Amino acid sequence: DQQVKQNSPSLSVQEGRISILNCDYTNSMFDYFLWYKKYPAEGPTFLISISSIKDKNEDGRFTVFLNKSAKHLSLHIVPSQPGDSAVYFCAASALGDMRFGAGTRLTVKP
Amino acid sequence: DTGVSQDPRHKITKRGQNVTFRCDPISEHNRLYWYRQTLGQGPEFLTYFQNEAQLEKSRLLSDRFSAERPKGSFSTLEIQRTEQGDSAMYLCASSAPGQGAWETQYFGPGTRLLVL
Repeated sequence: DQQVKQNSPSLSVQEGRISILNCDYTNSMFDYFLWYKKYPAEGPTFLISISSIKDKNEDGRFTVFLNKSAKHLSLHIVPSQPGDSAVYFCAASALGDMRFGAGTRLTVKP
Repeated sequence: DTGVSQDPRHKITKRGQNVTFRCDPISEHNRLYWYRQTLGQGPEFLTYFQNEAQLEKSRLLSDRFSAERPKGSFSTLEIQRTEQGDSAMYLCASSAPGQGAWETQYFGPGTRLLVL
């Protein structure tokens, strides 16, 4: 059962522009949402999170937006840098039970 | 402590053999998780421990899979009678106490298993 979906397998943006990665979920019990970044041959690295009581969380160049009514979250990276090129996983958690999307491969071109 | 560590990083085995992977969590973390990741997919939850207690194991993939955390520190994941379909990346994660439902899990580098 795919409770967390990332419908775009890949995204390519120009350096300096905004990258927007999207994620949809189906389980209304999810109350904590996370984004992880993964380089090849490494484990996922925690990037940013948001709890269900908020609709926005910002950390430097990274901002996560949560729309609970639409069961949708997004990650904005501004400005995008070539080093941001990686696979980004969205995750949603209910009482520590965490489900992941299939990932979006972001390529930032110089 | 530099983070979650896993050993080995790579394992090649023949079908039918048993394999065991080790995970050392971040030292003050009391929860430890095992995931499997196959190509093109996100990590898939297998089991987790709070200290030495295994609180969820119904999502282990089959009875060939088992995990232990005998002293509440490191953990091992064993796969018996490996099959080619077990080839995947096995990830370990840990989280700190006191976060309640809003916990952040930190992942190790993974063990990549190839079953021939």
